[in-house]
Amino acid sequence: AQSVTQLDSHVSVSEGTPVLLRCNYSSSYSPSLFWYVQHPNKGLQLLLKYTSAATLVKGINGFEAEFKKSETSFHLTKPSAHMSDAAEYFCVVSGPFSGNTPLVFGKGTRLSVIA
Amino acid sequence: EPEVTQTPSHQVTQMGQEVILRCVPISNHLYFYWYRQILGQKVEFLVSFYNNEISEKSEIFDDQFSVERPDGSNFTLKIRSTKLEDSAMYFCASSPGQGIVGSYNEQFFGPGTRLTVL
Repeated sequence: AQSVTQLDSHVSVSEGTPVLLRCNYSSSYSPSLFWYVQHPNKGLQLLLKYTSAATLVKGINGFEAEFKKSETSFHLTKPSAHMSDAAEYFCVVSGPFSGNTPLVFGKGTRLSVIA
Repeated sequence: EPEVTQTPSHQVTQMGQEVILRCVPISNHLYFYWYRQILGQKVEFLVSFYNNEISEKSEIFDDQFSVERPDGSNFTLKIRSTKLEDSAMYFCASSPGQGIVGSYNEQFFGPGTRLTVL
């Protein structure tokens, strides 16, 4: 079985400071990993994905994540937070096969950005 | 940019009533999904649908639930007799479904329907 654990339910940062949202995964085989973001009253939007290519993955809006197999982690980072980054972020795992398999979500981390 | 839409945004119903949640997936997509998120809990997979039939379903998706693509554009989730514990945010998603094994087809999500069962 696959699962993800998001270590923080809420993270608050000041605008212009770095963002770190932590995620650990559990999978019995090489997983595909994703970060999705949800802004208020909007759908879930894919930020970035890891599918067994480069371990450092760059996504939209300056976000990136690094797949660390030894630590079973896939933390999301951004060098400098912007007010528009305030949203709910979900770490997600899926199987390594054809990408129409169900996604397994973490509980989410709410990011607040303070001016 | 094409997007998945869902209606209504909020549905309130009485326990035991039937509800139908509606989704319009992106037009050239082939796979369709429903997920739900009970308040304070994880987003959970319910069902996937391809070629006019269910391709995979979770333990949550019992006989009270059904899905349908009635007219080639809408994708619906029906709950026959709602229970209090069905109160949740329901997300529809679609993916292109093309590509080779080992590739990833992004699932595009709608904004969700908040279902409240009283």
